Amino acid sequence: KQEVTQIPAALSVPEGENLVLNCSFTDSAIYNLQWFRQDPGKGLTSLLLIQSSQREQTSGRLNASLDKSSGRSTLYIAASQPGDSATYLCAANTGNQFYFGTGTSLTVIP
Amino acid sequence: GAVVSQHPSWVICKSGTSVKIECRSLDFQATTMFWYRQFPKQSLMLMATSNEGSKATYEQGVEKDKFLINHASLTLSTLTVTSAHPEDSSFYICSARAGEAGNTIYFGEGSWLTVV
Repeated sequence: KQEVTQIPAALSVPEGENLVLNCSFTDSAIYNLQWFRQDPGKGLTSLLLIQSSQREQTSGRLNASLDKSSGRSTLYIAASQPGDSATYLCAANTGNQFYFGTGTSLTVIP
Repeated sequence: GAVVSQHPSWVICKSGTSVKIECRSLDFQATTMFWYRQFPKQSLMLMATSNEGSKATYEQGVEKDKFLINHASLTLSTLTVTSAHPEDSSFYICSARAGEAGNTIYFGEGSWLTVV
C-alpha cells in the first residue's frame, strides 16, 4: 500500500525566505503527484501537478520536483509571503486513488 | 476554472438529519468518481469509489449504509450522510476521473460538514 509522508509537519519562516517542503512516497508506481494548498476552513486548491515522466513543474514562485526512483517530491516556494500561510498537501496518484500526506502547516511571519 | 464542482462548500446540520453533497464534472464525463474524507489533523482518506450506473466500492471501515453514494449520471455523484452525528463533522472532497486513463483526475474544492 502506498504511504505518503510529509516533512516537516509544521514550518514557520520570516517573510521573504525561500523554503522547501518535502514529500516522500513508498511506491514509485505512480501516474503523477500533485501538490495542494488548504486554507483553514476552506477547500483544496491544486497548485502543481507533475506527471510521472516529468522532473519538475513551475508556477510563479512555486516549483515542484519529482524523483520517482527515490520516491521523493519537493515543493519550493521562493520569496515567501504571509499569504502563503496554509497547509500544503502532496498526493500520489496510483491510478485507482490518490494517497495524501498529512500536510505541512506553513506560517510566514510578516 | 474549476472542472469539478462540489456543493455545498459549507453545511451545518442538526444531529440525526441527513445531508447531501454533490459532485459534478464540468465539460467532461466522469466514469469514476472518488470520495475522500479528512479527519482532524490527518490526511485525506479514500472513502469510496463510484462508477456510473453501478454500486460504489467502499473502503474498509466505511459504513455504506451511513454514507450513501449515488453515481446516477456521467457528470454527477452524490454523497449522502445519513443520520448525521457530530463525529461525522469533517471535510469531504470528491474527485473525478476523465476517461479511462488513470492519470487525469480532477478534484472538487471540498465540503465542510458540521453536525451540531
